[in-house]
Amino acid sequence: GAGVSQSPRYKVAKRGQDVALRCDPISGHVSLFWYQQALGQGPEFLTYFQNEAQLDKSGLPSDRFFAERPEGSVSTLKIQRTQQEDSAVYLCASSLAGLSYNEQFFGPGTRLTVL
Amino acid sequence: QKEVEQDPGPLSVPEGAIVSLNCTYSNSAFQYFMWYRQYSRKGPELLMYTYSSGNKEDGRFTAQVDKSSKYISLFIRDSQPSDSATYLCAMRAYSGGGADGLTFGKGTHLIIQP
Repeated sequence: GAGVSQSPRYKVAKRGQDVALRCDPISGHVSLFWYQQALGQGPEFLTYFQNEAQLDKSGLPSDRFFAERPEGSVSTLKIQRTQQEDSAVYLCASSLAGLSYNEQFFGPGTRLTVL
Repeated sequence: QKEVEQDPGPLSVPEGAIVSLNCTYSNSAFQYFMWYRQYSRKGPELLMYTYSSGNKEDGRFTAQVDKSSKYISLFIRDSQPSDSATYLCAMRAYSGGGADGLTFGKGTHLIIQP
């Protein structure tokens, strides 16, 4: 079975442009996460969905960042009016639901460069 | 001070050596502790996870958690050049309401010299 896929793999945007990053989770995975990984840093949590409900968006750095998962499967992370500090790798992860630990499976990421 | 501290390295060791990687943390609510391996331009992949304190062994890898000291370790025995990668520690609390985002360390860049 396929793992988590993300598209595009690379995105170059001019400062001020809007971008949309897509995540296709593993089929049947209820939970979906977005992380931001700056160069030389570990991933930082952005937001979390359980099915279509966005249960935690505490990590979104500003109101320019918006995520959605309207049908509980594919998710899109949108960044409006991109800034240079938005340059990073954006990672998506998915997992089964449950109260106990469930492994988060990561996609390869989208590398965003803002010029 | 960040919640999770990890020395970024690089850490360079000869092939066959025992590697010791570690992280310290400050949030006493963390209960799940994970080690991920990340190759260049790839997503992180889970190596080991431990719930609460104790040791866990899987092949050449051993994970240790000492909650009293807020210190976790990953040991790699008989290291191979293919182990060269960035190793990320990650943690989360138990919320009781479902999954939670992970808190990661900065990652340690490990180089195994042939």
